[in-house]
Amino acid sequence: SQQGEEDPQALSIQEGENATMNCSYKTSINNLQWYRQNSGRGLVHLILIRSNEREKHSGRLRVTLDTSKKSSSLLITASRAADTASYFCATGLSGTYKYIFGTGTRLKVLA
Amino acid sequence: DVKVTQSSRYLVKRTGEKVFLECVQDMDHENMFWYRQDPGLGLRLIYFSYDVKMKEKGDIPEGYSVSREKKERFSLILESASTNQTSMYLCASEGRQETQYFGPGTRLLVL
Repeated sequence: SQQGEEDPQALSIQEGENATMNCSYKTSINNLQWYRQNSGRGLVHLILIRSNEREKHSGRLRVTLDTSKKSSSLLITASRAADTASYFCATGLSGTYKYIFGTGTRLKVLA
Repeated sequence: DVKVTQSSRYLVKRTGEKVFLECVQDMDHENMFWYRQDPGLGLRLIYFSYDVKMKEKGDIPEGYSVSREKKERFSLILESASTNQTSMYLCASEGRQETQYFGPGTRLLVL
């Protein structure tokens, strides 16, 4: 199966609520990244966390990484309708140029 | 801002045709990638290139080849298109910050 698997597959929340998405992976990584994709478009990079980091913030985004559990979470605080998109985690594999993308979480924020 | 462009947004081809998908980036990045994206499967790496004329197979290279004659341009070639190659194709380039910048994607339909 895919290296990165997001959970849940779909999430529907009200505007103003927080959204949490999780990503699990299987092998050693250099870093883990989160991307966003609006319907039918390319992916946009959100945030990168390195394997020696535990938490990182960027605006309304908070990412955590637990290498012992091989998992990461993305928290979007005070969500907006414009946050409606699919979110993907990508793991940068140790010793390679490769990245493995998960299957994504579809987030819907209701106004 | 990094710009990654792809030659077509939508493409319709017939089975057996040779198909060229072109990707151009304007930031002098060394690494470039081709992915395909299918519902429920996420992004899967087809090929990547870490320098001019250098390439490595990704997870699903069968039925595809690539060409990188110039640093800014990375082409994906479907030697003989088949219906199971109907998909969304995404190109990305990566700079030293390990962030991938994606093009808008090409939606290919093979009839």
